[in-house]
Amino acid sequence: EAEVAQSPRYKITEKSQAVAFWCDPISGHATLYWYRQILGQGPELLVQFQDESVVDDSQLPKDRFSAERLKGVDSTLKIQPAELGDSAMYLCASSLDRDEAFFGQGTRLTVV
Amino acid sequence: AQRVTQPEKLLSVFKGAPVELKCNYSYSGSPELFWYVQYSRQRLQLLLRHISRESIKGFTADLNKGETSFHLKKPFAQEEDSAMYYCALMDKLTFGTGTQLKVEL
Repeated sequence: EAEVAQSPRYKITEKSQAVAFWCDPISGHATLYWYRQILGQGPELLVQFQDESVVDDSQLPKDRFSAERLKGVDSTLKIQPAELGDSAMYLCASSLDRDEAFFGQGTRLTVV
Repeated sequence: AQRVTQPEKLLSVFKGAPVELKCNYSYSGSPELFWYVQYSRQRLQLLLRHISRESIKGFTADLNKGETSFHLKKPFAQEEDSAMYYCALMDKLTFGTGTQLKVEL
């Protein structure tokens, strides 16, 4: 069964360093989401792609976060510089248009 | 702006008791609503969506536009229902804060 793949699973980084997360969606899924989930809270949408285009990035802290999906397939989310408050689970999901979203296992980021 | 509210962080019920997980939404158009579930050490996954009007694992949810609610219900809770439940709203797939359901024996 096809799954959304994310790497790495865990990442520990020092404050002010750069960090990047990778997501490979299910083949054929045009819509890709990046979420941040802080412990005890629901997933918060950071950015939504339709193919290679950004549909919504209104909640993305653009001074330090960037996201790209250059060929409309896999995607990278970057944080530079990382801050202590960025410690969270970063989730990627993909879907066929407005249909069911399939989630990856997430990357747990700890900033020390 | 669209918003999803789940007022309960934790709901604890006994096995065999009815379950109702509350969800209220704020949206100016015609809403598309979902319930997602996350079992321990598993990925977040879709449980059901309002447009299909189906029952999944004994759970149902009815959209009430007058009360702007989409509560999740099950008549008899089972131990395997223990999980984190999230209500979500399209068109930006927006999630509520989630309710932890704990079914006790």
